[in-house]
Amino acid sequence: DAKTTQPNSMESNEEEPVHLPCNHSTISGTDYIHWYRQLPSQGPEYVIHGLTSNVNNRMASLAIAEDRKSSTLILHRATLRDAAVYYCILRDGGTYKYIFGTGTRLKVLA
Amino acid sequence: KAGVTQTPRYLIKTRGQQVTLSCSPISGHRSVSWYQQTPGQGLQFLFEYFSETQRNKGNFPGRFSGRQFSNSRSEMNVSTLELGDSALYLCASSLGGQIISYNEQFFGPGTRLTVL
Repeated sequence: DAKTTQPNSMESNEEEPVHLPCNHSTISGTDYIHWYRQLPSQGPEYVIHGLTSNVNNRMASLAIAEDRKSSTLILHRATLRDAAVYYCILRDGGTYKYIFGTGTRLKVLA
Repeated sequence: KAGVTQTPRYLIKTRGQQVTLSCSPISGHRSVSWYQQTPGQGLQFLFEYFSETQRNKGNFPGRFSGRQFSNSRSEMNVSTLELGDSALYLCASSLGGQIISYNEQFFGPGTRLTVL
């Protein structure tokens, strides 16, 4: 199974953009890149996903490197409510299996 | 629309006992996945059921098993509990099927299992 590598923790100031990196050098052609986040005392929630092209939704943007070996989740304006553990996950397009990494704990400073 | 529900929310068992956890997916969702979350190992995939069939399985011993009913509700069972089985067990449901965009997972609040 392909794996993801993320920094253990990051800090950001409120209302500033946040770039959360993820390395997935062993990604295969059928693996989708998903991001989920887990707020304290809750189950993970979906943020965004993509395959090859950059993606935008109301929560965030996903920038995928041309060789697909890395990606970056972009929160355009961090709020205190965005403090969470962010997981970069590969989902096998054939088996639909999710492989969670260790995640990045994002701290947002007021 | 009701979210994913898991019962019970908290459970205390002793070593050697068995436990059954229940998950009710969002209405219309046919895929249910189970995860174990511990401070040391993070989120680990246990198994996934789709239309009553196990579609994927993680690297857990045979003491961990599951099933899915015709109404998509799912149960997971852990037999001969060990101290290391103490964890938050999360269930996630999705529409399932071939279209990847249908596979966004919606997680329940989890069942906190403590093994003494």
